Amino acid sequence: GENVEQHPSTLSVQEGDSAVIKCTYSDSASNYFPWYKQELGKRPQLIIDIRSNVGEKKDQRIAVTLNKTAKHFSLHITETQPEDSAVYFCAASNDNAGNMLTFGGGTRLMVKP
Amino acid sequence: KAGVTQTPRYLIKTRGQQVTLSCSPISGHRSVSWYQQTPGQGLQFLFEYFSETQRNKGNFPGRFSGRQFSNSRSEMNVSTLELGDSALYLCASSLSGLGGETQYFGPGTRLLVL
Repeated sequence: GENVEQHPSTLSVQEGDSAVIKCTYSDSASNYFPWYKQELGKRPQLIIDIRSNVGEKKDQRIAVTLNKTAKHFSLHITETQPEDSAVYFCAASNDNAGNMLTFGGGTRLMVKP
Repeated sequence: KAGVTQTPRYLIKTRGQQVTLSCSPISGHRSVSWYQQTPGQGLQFLFEYFSETQRNKGNFPGRFSGRQFSNSRSEMNVSTLELGDSALYLCASSLSGLGGETQYFGPGTRLLVL
């Protein structure tokens, strides 16, 4: 089955700096890669996703890049703000497994004001 | 539209008991997936239901089961509870459960097994 690894497990940045979180996946059939943000005590919320026919996607301060050959994808947050502090999860799925998501272990991002 | 709702939000049970958790998807969504979240294992897929049928199942023992009703609401049941079943149980809904569809999570049910 699919295996998703996520690094780093914790990340501390100064407000205004950029943050990068990286994930690798094992199943070359995976074709959908969402990122979820989970604040303390809250539900995971989708912040951005990318499909395998696209190499990069941006939404304001957030961007995701995908390298299918290397089987890795990354989340980039620019101009970080204290409210970006949360746990971020990457995930992967493929059409053969319906919408079953395989998650990475999560990254705790702390943005220091 | 109202979001995904889950009841109860908190539960305390003892080993050997059973528990039933409920999930109401977003109106119009017909696919409901269940995930277990623990500090040690992270987020793990339990199963997915669509049109009252289980379409996909994760790697969990048979003590974990579920069902879906005709109004798309779903329940999951855990029998013979073990200490290791203590976790946050999240459900997520999507329109039809196709690959690449956005899944919307509920707030979760936090289960503590003593």
